[in-house]
Amino acid sequence: QKEVEQNSGPLSVPEGAIASLNCTYSDRGSQSFFWYRQYSGKSPELIMSIYSNGDKEDGRFTAQLNKASQYVSLLIRDSQPSDSATYLCAVKRSARQLTFGSGTQLTVLP
Amino acid sequence: EAGVVQSPRYKIIEKKQPVAFWCNPISGHNTLYWYRQNLGQGPELLIRYENEEAVDDSQLPKDRFSAERLKGVDSTLKIQPAELGDSAVYLCASSLRESRAEAFFGQGTRLTVV
Repeated sequence: QKEVEQNSGPLSVPEGAIASLNCTYSDRGSQSFFWYRQYSGKSPELIMSIYSNGDKEDGRFTAQLNKASQYVSLLIRDSQPSDSATYLCAVKRSARQLTFGSGTQLTVLP
Repeated sequence: EAGVVQSPRYKIIEKKQPVAFWCNPISGHNTLYWYRQNLGQGPELLIRYENEEAVDDSQLPKDRFSAERLKGVDSTLKIQPAELGDSAVYLCASSLRESRAEAFFGQGTRLTVV
């Protein structure tokens, strides 16, 4: 079992829709959770971090964390073509290594 | 504030040749990561430094890869000799040491071994 699992996609949504990206992790001691966006040929860019159960909103992005289910998700409201990218989920336990999933490729169709 | 700086951006070498990558982290960041990313995959950790100490290098292929972080600032990752399978993007990231600290990436070095 991989430490961090994501559906590889591709996930396609129409412009203006809600895109939902999911991630599960295996280490129950994980404490910090991050979402990165990676455009083709570019390096990962941090877009959200979440540490407590529940929702965290930042503009059109909402991160959701459920530690009991070992599940973290990212919702993108009013999706735009510019949101088309690979979204990477990353998990960290204490001040230890940052482990990434394989990413979900999102395409927003105009 | 300057971000994480990596060089070179691109490198093409023949197999069996050596290659080195350089990373300058964000000022004040004690933690430095080297990741390798293959096409269509997420970044995979090669080595993590806390200041000048390598605290997690279990995924570093030590027969051909080496890394150093002298004085706890800049870091160099070396491959000698390179193999065709080493073709990938090598990413450097840095963060503060705290558990909630966010990590920021450099632009990466795209290595092609021919």
